[in-house]
Amino acid sequence: QVQLQESGPGLVKPSETLSLTCTVSGSSISSAYYWGWIRQPPGKGLEWLATIYHSGSTSYNPSLKSRVSISVDTSKNQFSLKLSSVTAADTAVYYCARVDPWFFDYWGQGTLVTVSS
Amino acid sequence: QSALTQPASVSGSPGQSITISCTGTSSGVGGYNYVSWYQQYPGKAPKLMIYGVSNRPSGVSNRFSGSKSGNTASLTISGLQAEDEADYYCSSYTSSSTLVFGGGTKLTVL
Repeated sequence: QVQLQESGPGLVKPSETLSLTCTVSGSSISSAYYWGWIRQPPGKGLEWLATIYHSGSTSYNPSLKSRVSISVDTSKNQFSLKLSSVTAADTAVYYCARVDPWFFDYWGQGTLVTVSS
Repeated sequence: QSALTQPASVSGSPGQSITISCTGTSSGVGGYNYVSWYQQYPGKAPKLMIYGVSNRPSGVSNRFSGSKSGNTASLTISGLQAEDEADYYCSSYTSSSTLVFGGGTKLTVL
């Protein structure tokens, strides 16, 4: 059974960098899938952020490309998200998901990140 | 990139059929058979309902079906049930090697 679990600080200060990690179980991160991050501001819709393949190949949402970074750690079966220079507009539930190109078949439960001083 | 266009809300009575549309461009929805649909209950993670325009994952009811015509994809739910009341999102791959979601549709079962 494939399971994904997000982890990271629930509170980040404005202008700082948001860092989240997704731990994958039941599926090797080195297998023939991509891995991605999606977020959902309170009361709003889903927004795709970034996708990565275990080889390191990445794709980013153009609207966030200058601030977002995704990486993978095959030794820990994890992948991570960094979002720099955050503002209140980055407050959202952040989901990690497995990407079977090109749909999201397994999702984490989501973690709420609030940007506030 | 612009979000795919979905109606904000749709409604139907139990037993009826409803259709949710998802409109994109020829470089996304119209250009690839990579449209997927997700169901989301409040406070829960989205669940994959349809992938590759019209394929259902194992365990998803056959009351859910997907189709595409030109730049518009559609999700149809037949034999509407109270448990279908949720938010629905479409997603598509694009020619820029990116992914994009629709704005979401709230389904109300009357």
